[in-house]
This record gives sequence, structure tokens and C-alpha cells, in this order.
Amino acid sequence: AQSVAQPEDQVNVAEGNPLTVKCTYSVSGNPYLFWYVQYPNRGLQFLLKYITGDNLVKGSYGFEAEFNKSQTSFHLKKPSALVSDSALYFCAVRLGNNAGNMLTFGGGTRLMVKP
Amino acid sequence: DAGVIQSPRHEVTEMGQEVTLRCKPISGHNSLFWYRQTMMRGLELLIYFNNNVPIDDSGMPEDRFSAKMPNASFSTLKIQPSEPRDSAVYFCASSLNPGYGYTFGSGTRLTVV
Repeated sequence: AQSVAQPEDQVNVAEGNPLTVKCTYSVSGNPYLFWYVQYPNRGLQFLLKYITGDNLVKGSYGFEAEFNKSQTSFHLKKPSALVSDSALYFCAVRLGNNAGNMLTFGGGTRLMVKP
Repeated sequence: DAGVIQSPRHEVTEMGQEVTLRCKPISGHNSLFWYRQTMMRGLELLIYFNNNVPIDDSGMPEDRFSAKMPNASFSTLKIQPSEPRDSAVYFCASSLNPGYGYTFGSGTRLTVV
């Protein structure tokens, strides 16, 4: 079955350390992959996407993600975490060519960056 | 562009009352989505419109919920009658094409007492 998963409900990291938020997917065909961030009492904001091209995608606020086709993953990374990065992060995927514009979202991962 | 505009930002209503949430998508976008977010259930897709036509409403919880999109620039989500378990943040999002992704509105926080 086609799906997207975020295996960690919460990730804790110290400020200044690198962070990784994991996302795996199962899609037939070429996936369209997205990351969104949600700060408290706000809507979801676009961070970055992979459609085609270079497997390493750079996005807003210093975040990047690597498309790994063999591992069917699209993990979100940042070399040095900031306290202000603390938020809820969602991975999303377009589940195949028949999905139209619709994305399927993972369950979200709460990132906590401690000073 | 003002982005996706939702109104009201906050709504407090009594159980049994009708509630109407409104959304104005980004001009030119052809898809519109309504989501509900709660701590317990996370982010749930309620309904998806494409070119003003409902494509997938399987996420609408029950007959008390209805959604319309009378034109490309406006959509409503109505709950009648409302119940305390409907308390949640309701988001609207619009999209231009599959590679675009979504733009979300700021949400409507609904509290039913």
C-alpha cells in the first residue's frame, strides 16, 4: 500500500547539534516529496520539496533533505539546530500519478531543541 | 498575494449551534483542501475539491459536516449541529499543481462548549 511515515513522534536535540527528522514512503512511480513546519498556533509552512533532479534539496531556515530512492526515505536535516527550530514537522508525499494535487501527510514529528 | 485566507480565526459556540468556516484560496489555484487538526487525531483530510468539484469527501466525519465551493475563490465548511468533539483547528489549503504542494491558511480554532 502507498503510504508515508514519520517513525518518531518526538526528536530532542541540543542547540548547536545537528538534527535529523525521519520520513519514509511507499509510492509507485516517482514520488513528489515535501516538508512542512508548523509553529505553535500557526498554519503549516512550506520548507522544501523534491520533485526531480539533485537528491539533496535545500530549503528555508537552513534546512535540507536528501532523497534516497533505494531506502525510500526523505529525511530532513540541519547542521546546527536552533532553539527557534522547535516546532512540529510534517513530511508529505503525492501518492502516485492518480493523486492529482493531493498530498498525504505523515503523522508529524515534534522537534524540541534545548538550549 | 495575500495567501490563503480563513475566517474567522477563532470561533466559540454552544453545542447544537450551526458553525460556518470560510476559506478564500490563492487566486489561480485549482485545488482546495479542508483539514482538521487535534492533539488526539493529528492532521485529518476532510474534503478535497478540484476545479470547484468535490473529489474526495471520505474524511468528512458524519452528516453534520458539509462543504461547498460555489466558485473558484470561496469555500465553506459547515457543521450543523455542532458538538464539543468538533473542537479543533480547521485548516484550508490550496494548490496549483502536483509539483507546487500546498499553501495553508492560518486556520480557524473552533471551540464548542
